Amino acid sequence: DAKTTQPNSMESNEEEPVHLPCNHSTISGTDYIHWYRQLPSQGPEYVIHGLTSNVNNRMASLAIAEDRKSSTLILHRATLRDAAVYYCILSPYNFNKFYFGSGTKLNVKP
Amino acid sequence: NAGVTQTPKFQVLKTGQSMTLQCAQDMNHEYMSWYRQDPGMGLRLIHYSVGAGITDQGEVPNGYNVSRSTTEDFPLRLLSAAPSQTSVYFCASSEDRGNYGYTFGSGTRLTVV
Repeated sequence: DAKTTQPNSMESNEEEPVHLPCNHSTISGTDYIHWYRQLPSQGPEYVIHGLTSNVNNRMASLAIAEDRKSSTLILHRATLRDAAVYYCILSPYNFNKFYFGSGTKLNVKP
Repeated sequence: NAGVTQTPKFQVLKTGQSMTLQCAQDMNHEYMSWYRQDPGMGLRLIHYSVGAGITDQGEVPNGYNVSRSTTEDFPLRLLSAAPSQTSVYFCASSEDRGNYGYTFGSGTRLTVV
C-alpha cells in the first residue's frame, strides 16, 4: 500500500493561512488523496479528498501536484479550533480501506 | 440521525476475557471499518466491510473477529483480551462512493489489565 510522509508538527498564527504538505511518491494512478483531522479526544473528521484536480470545500482546499506525488491541504484562515492532528491518506479507487500515517500536529497560536 | 454509535464508551477487561464492541450506523452506509489508536499514534485498520456479509482484514487483524449480518451493525469481537489490546477503538462508516468521506464514532476506550 502506498505510504504518505508528513511533518510531525507545524505551527501557525490565528487568522493566517496554513499549508500542510504531504508527500506520496509511490501513489498509484487510481489512489485518491484524503485528508482527515482529529481534534483532541475525538474521532477523526473528514476534511477533503481528491484525485487529480484541486478541490475546494467549506473547510479547506486541496492542491494536488501535477505528477500527484505530493499534495497540500490549505486552511485559508486558521482558528484556534483548527488545532488538531491532520492525516493525509491514500485510498484505492473503490474506497474500501484507509491506512492512516502518524499525521501532522498543527498548533495554532492566538 | 445519530450517525455512528459506539458502545460502550469505556471498558476494563481482565486478561483472557472476551467481549464485543458494538458499532451501529443509521445512514445506510455500505462501507464500515474498525480502527485502533494507541497513545500518541495514528489509527491502524483492524477489519473492514464493503457490505452485509462481506468482511476483510486490515493491517492488524490478529486477536479480533468481525461479522456483518446487517448493513447497520458491525461488531468487533475480542476473543481473548491481552494487555497489548489496550487502546481506543474507532468505528467508521461511508457511503459507497465516499463522496463525503468516512464518518467516525466517538470511540471506545478499552483497558486490559
